[in-house]
Amino acid sequence: GAGVSQSPRYKVAKRGQDVALRCDPISGHVSLFWYQQALGQGPEFLTYFQNEAQLDKSGLPSDRFFAERPEGSVSTLKIQRTQQEDSAVYLCASSLYPRQGNSPLHFGNGTRLTVT
Amino acid sequence: QQPVQSPQAVILREGEDAVINCSSSKALYSVHWYRQKHGEAPVFLMILLKGGEQKGHEKISASFNEKKQQSSLYLTASQLSYSGTYFCGTEIVLSSASKIIFGSGTRLSIRP
Repeated sequence: GAGVSQSPRYKVAKRGQDVALRCDPISGHVSLFWYQQALGQGPEFLTYFQNEAQLDKSGLPSDRFFAERPEGSVSTLKIQRTQQEDSAVYLCASSLYPRQGNSPLHFGNGTRLTVT
Repeated sequence: QQPVQSPQAVILREGEDAVINCSSSKALYSVHWYRQKHGEAPVFLMILLKGGEQKGHEKISASFNEKKQQSSLYLTASQLSYSGTYFCGTEIVLSSASKIIFGSGTRLSIRP
């Protein structure tokens, strides 16, 4: 596709429900990132994939958060037993290369998750 | 690990200049700059590599001081379209790859 596509655009979940957020990166992009952005804050790193390999998941807040990219393209971020503090915009970004020194990040429009 | 941006917010009149700073406690490999408008995705502006180079994008330029571990973004003769939140991102190397860690942003408001 022309850009990074994320779905759903908005998600309302009741506390305790599981949610799955989808990211469709630009075709051929090796790197895929998930970020969490709270209102008025910068994107906070969650996890990074190089193709299908999850090389860094140090930013995942708890073991309720799980991400996968099984075929090196589409990625899913899953949050189990959602809590109110999980409410945020979840941004996905992809880039062409493994190293970001010459590789701009292309962001999707994000999924706004509201946990009630 | 998160870079520190200053100031947190700037209010300008159209045509005025601004400088946004980004500093890191870690050695910098590269610095990315992005602009995000309300409700939209961050949009790439430029990447600065080690070597203290300066880059330009329209009337927006940036510098990278490796020794001081900081980068600055310069907006000259600001236009209404420059309004938004500016984020710097620093590159953290992971073996064969790298990730970008963002600062908390600088909110820029331009008034006519």
